Amino acid sequence: EAQVTQNPRYLITVTGKKLTVTCSQNMNHEYMSWYRQDPGLGLRQIYYSMNVEVTDKGDVPEGYKVSRKEKRNFPLILESPSPNQTSLYFCASSLPMGTSYNEQFFGPGTRLTVL
Amino acid sequence: QKEVEQNSGPLSVPEGAIASLNCTYSDRVSQSFFWYRQYSGKSPELIMSIYSNGDKEDGRFTAQLNKASQYVSLLIRDSQPSDSATYLCAVKRLNSGGYQKVTFGTGTKLQVIP
Repeated sequence: EAQVTQNPRYLITVTGKKLTVTCSQNMNHEYMSWYRQDPGLGLRQIYYSMNVEVTDKGDVPEGYKVSRKEKRNFPLILESPSPNQTSLYFCASSLPMGTSYNEQFFGPGTRLTVL
Repeated sequence: QKEVEQNSGPLSVPEGAIASLNCTYSDRVSQSFFWYRQYSGKSPELIMSIYSNGDKEDGRFTAQLNKASQYVSLLIRDSQPSDSATYLCAVKRLNSGGYQKVTFGTGTKLQVIP
């Protein structure tokens, strides 16, 4: 089954404790992206990756890191989480952005609470 | 001005009626347009995409694009309670770095009343 998986699905942590949210896709997609979703603000892009070892900042990258060492995986790293990073996080993947028909497939989401 | 704007709603329609959801975008050279449905606490799922001016129909859904007016809409005919969700408009455009990216609106909440 074609899918994007994220782990963990739910996480409660404390300020300053480093954490990683994993994302993996089995569709051989080049493009992967992380979003956060907050009430009234919609989906905002954190980081994206156009291919292995190619990443760039999205609209709200502060406080986050990413890496893309393998095509299928795109982990999101919070080195020192703060309460304002409490949010619902989605990973997504698609064919390259330059492709005409490039629907984004979303993972199930990770609900993060930072105390 | 927001890059992609939607009325947050809620938009309430009776069961069986037509629901009309609207979206405007600011970048005139935007290329591709998508409608995603998102149930509460779930991930967005694509229901329609449209790339050229005019209408595109898929079952009970019709997407309408007017690039001159920078306006895209989604019509849902014969609305069902199961259509109650938040509908996200997404627009693909070139960012300042010359790369294509997708920007989402904040979504319109639709409530279909039985």
